Amino acid sequence: EVQLAESGGGLVQPGGSLRLSCAASGFTFSSYEMNWVRQAPGKGLEWVSYISTSGGAIYAVSLKGRFTISRDNAKNSLYLQMNSLRAEDTAVYYCARNRGGYSYGYFDYWGQGTLVTVSS
Amino acid sequence: ETVLTQSPGTLSLSPGERATLSCRASQSVSSSYLAWYQQKPGQAPRLLIYGASGRATGIPDRFSGSGSGTDFTLTISRLEPEDFAVYYCQQYGSSVTFGQGTKVEIK
Repeated sequence: EVQLAESGGGLVQPGGSLRLSCAASGFTFSSYEMNWVRQAPGKGLEWVSYISTSGGAIYAVSLKGRFTISRDNAKNSLYLQMNSLRAEDTAVYYCARNRGGYSYGYFDYWGQGTLVTVSS
Repeated sequence: ETVLTQSPGTLSLSPGERATLSCRASQSVSSSYLAWYQQKPGQAPRLLIYGASGRATGIPDRFSGSGSGTDFTLTISRLEPEDFAVYYCQQYGSSVTFGQGTKVEIK
């Protein structure tokens, strides 16, 4: 069974940093591209970042270089390093498995999400 | 950026009725790279449809997707109680963007 489990969320002050993790199981993690998607409270879905099987990354333009996606295929883990956090980054962050085969794709499995709250 | 506009914002229907949800793109979605998701309160989104009309694994056949270019539709042929939720469309032909969602509520 495919499982994705996010962790690392919490309360952080504006300007602070946080590193999210996503532990994958039930599939060959190294063979799949992955993504982070976020959802602000009561709002819709917003794509954040994509990473290829070899580590190539793409980001939403709105992030302006503040976030870094990475992966450790040996540990079956996906990460999101978030710096210079702002109140508008407050959201549930989901990791999601990518399908489609052409960089961007659709997301066939999602984790349950981890809440990041940016507030003083 | 391809903007997706979903309509209506809220759809009030009774169990057993047919639901028709629209997703319109600001520019043509290449190769019909459009997906639909269902999200219930407190849960992660669930993939329903990919490639505009392909049904994801385990999705009942009462869910169907259609369309191409800039106009796409998700149809639920007969609403079951568990289908009342928020539905999002997503395009992945040019970066990734989501629509703002359509809430299907019980009338």
